[in-house]
Amino acid sequence: NAGVMQNPRHLVRRRGQEARLRCSPMKGHSHVYWYRQLPEEGLKFMVYLQKENIIDESGMPKERFSAEFPKEGPSILRIQQVVRGDSAAYFCASSPLQGVDGYTFGSGTRLTVV
Amino acid sequence: GENVEQHPSTLSVQEGDSAVIKCTYSDSASNYFPWYKQELGKRPQLIIDIRSNVGEKKDQRIAVTLNKTAKHFSLHITETQPEDSAVYFCAARTGNEKLTFGTGTRLTIIP
Repeated sequence: NAGVMQNPRHLVRRRGQEARLRCSPMKGHSHVYWYRQLPEEGLKFMVYLQKENIIDESGMPKERFSAEFPKEGPSILRIQQVVRGDSAAYFCASSPLQGVDGYTFGSGTRLTVV
Repeated sequence: GENVEQHPSTLSVQEGDSAVIKCTYSDSASNYFPWYKQELGKRPQLIIDIRSNVGEKKDQRIAVTLNKTAKHFSLHITETQPEDSAVYFCAARTGNEKLTFGTGTRLTIIP
């Protein structure tokens, strides 16, 4: 089992560009969670998705950020018109079912906005 | 929503001594409390967890205790080793599967 796969590992974008972060859950997992980690800080919940459904997006900024988890393919976190403050590590995690403990994180995407 | 506080923010202990990290949570409905270890530039990794119907859990040198009445839980590492140096995060989960994390403790083991 390859685990939770995120790509790219590092992403550099200029202010105003779009950033697309991809997350492929573990095989058989249908629940995906995205978290953001600012430098020297903890992990902040962003969004929880199941296949084709957003379950909880209470941690997502209202503007410029969107997430999807289509029936086929990886989950995508999209950030439009990036600003310097978006520079962070973005981690996703997956689980097979609701109520399963201890989900596993991917290696993260480190976004740098220049 | 849930709020998790974690103390201390930094901790240095002599190799071989014990380390204790404490967290408090606000939502009495929280039912699951994992601890993650994160080394520099790497992903957070689950090291131990506890459910709300258990008071203590141990795995070799690592143990977690939970006091539901006081709404706090602690991580205990005994016989610390240099490879234990990392940032440790506690978290709490309420019913909708979202984890709320503490702000982290940077643990340094002094050889």
